[in-house]
Amino acid sequence: AQKITQTQPGMFVQEKEAVTLDCTYDTSDQSYGLFWYKQPSSGEMIFLIYQGSYDEQNATEGRYSLNFQKARKSANLVISASQLGDSAMYFCAMRERRAAGNKLTFGGGTRVLVKP
Amino acid sequence: NAGVTQTPKFRVLKTGQSMTLLCAQDMNHEYMYWYRQDPGMGLRLIHYSVGEGTTAKGEVPDGYNVSRLKKQNFLLGLESAAPSQTSVYFCATKGGDWVAADTQYFGPGTRLTVL
Repeated sequence: AQKITQTQPGMFVQEKEAVTLDCTYDTSDQSYGLFWYKQPSSGEMIFLIYQGSYDEQNATEGRYSLNFQKARKSANLVISASQLGDSAMYFCAMRERRAAGNKLTFGGGTRVLVKP
Repeated sequence: NAGVTQTPKFRVLKTGQSMTLLCAQDMNHEYMYWYRQDPGMGLRLIHYSVGEGTTAKGEVPDGYNVSRLKKQNFLLGLESAAPSQTSVYFCATKGGDWVAADTQYFGPGTRLTVL
């Protein structure tokens, strides 16, 4: 079974509007962390935001916020006031406490294109 | 302070040739990882290391070998390259033991084409 599922392969968003990127995960671990990364066309992986399984409040980092619904096992990324520079691939990832090597498991990604 | 570097940045191989990718880090991190990213897909873990002298298999280890002789370096080897190994390869590092919030630090990637 897929541990991280991103169901939106691609999205268009109008500049200055908000966009929500979906991420659902599957784990039986009680302790885990969820991450979002951005990959622009230049190829580097840029860390955006983190949410811990025990965090009671949703994480926020500037224009990025994470809508964490633990019971539904979802960790959606919200980008507010989209900018042209937000056009990129976005990856959701999870680290489980019991996973060997503290490794991250990645979803397939969502491509976002911001229209002017 | 270079962070995580990868050598080379680009490489073209013929089927059956061998090569080694080098990942170097100056952050004194214990954990190092090799991922591959195929077009339009997420990253898949090939091998990883939890410290100098250790290596372990990830999700897609077949056709690759690794070594971690020095803490700061993690080598990924392809003994006999195949077209299916055409991909972008990322190295990543992480410090310490279990800290849920620790992000991984990624290198810039190596684009490998096998003809």
